[in-house]
Amino acid sequence: EVQLLESGGGLVQPGRSLRLSCAASGFIFDDHAMHWVRQRPGAGLEWVASISWNSGKIEYAVSVKDRFIISRDNAKNSLYLEMNSLRVEDTALYYCVRDTPVGAGGFDYWGEGALVVVSS
Amino acid sequence: DIVMTQSPDSLAVSLGERATINCKSSQNIFYDSNNKNYLAWYQQRPGQPPKLLVYWASIRQSGVPDRFSGSGSGTDFTLTISSLQAEDVAVYYCQQYYTTPFTFGPGTIVDLK
Repeated sequence: EVQLLESGGGLVQPGRSLRLSCAASGFIFDDHAMHWVRQRPGAGLEWVASISWNSGKIEYAVSVKDRFIISRDNAKNSLYLEMNSLRVEDTALYYCVRDTPVGAGGFDYWGEGALVVVSS
Repeated sequence: DIVMTQSPDSLAVSLGERATINCKSSQNIFYDSNNKNYLAWYQQRPGQPPKLLVYWASIRQSGVPDRFSGSGSGTDFTLTISSLQAEDVAVYYCQQYYTTPFTFGPGTIVDLK
């Protein structure tokens, strides 16, 4: 069974940093690109960042570029999101998301999310 | 960026009736070289993460009931629930994965009448 378990969320002051982790299990981790998608309270879905299977291709939303860093450790079946210079508007539930296998499309598995609250 | 819009914002449907949700992309998301539309549909029930329902605009994800169907091409797409069940009450999002930034529609709330 595919499982994605986020951790590292919490309450943080504006300007500070936080690191999210996602532990993946139940599938061959390095067969898949991975993503972070966030959802602000009561709002829709916003793609944040993507990383290819071998970290060779990394992309960010403009809203987080130069502040957030996505990374992965295939030996540990883990995905990370280093969030720096946090802003109040970064408050959201952050989902760790698996890209579909080759031949399919979209994002096929989502974790339960890690809540990040940025507030003074 | 490709902007995704959805209509209606919300709809209330009786059990067993049809629900239709529309999605429009600001740019063509059909890729000629592989003849595919880079469009997915997700269902998000209250308090749960999104669930992939349809990809390539019309391919149902494994395990998704056949009352869900996707159609459309180019810039205009539709998700149809042929016979609404109580467990289908949710917010539905379309998404383009043609190019980054991958963008989602604002969502359509489906509720029971």
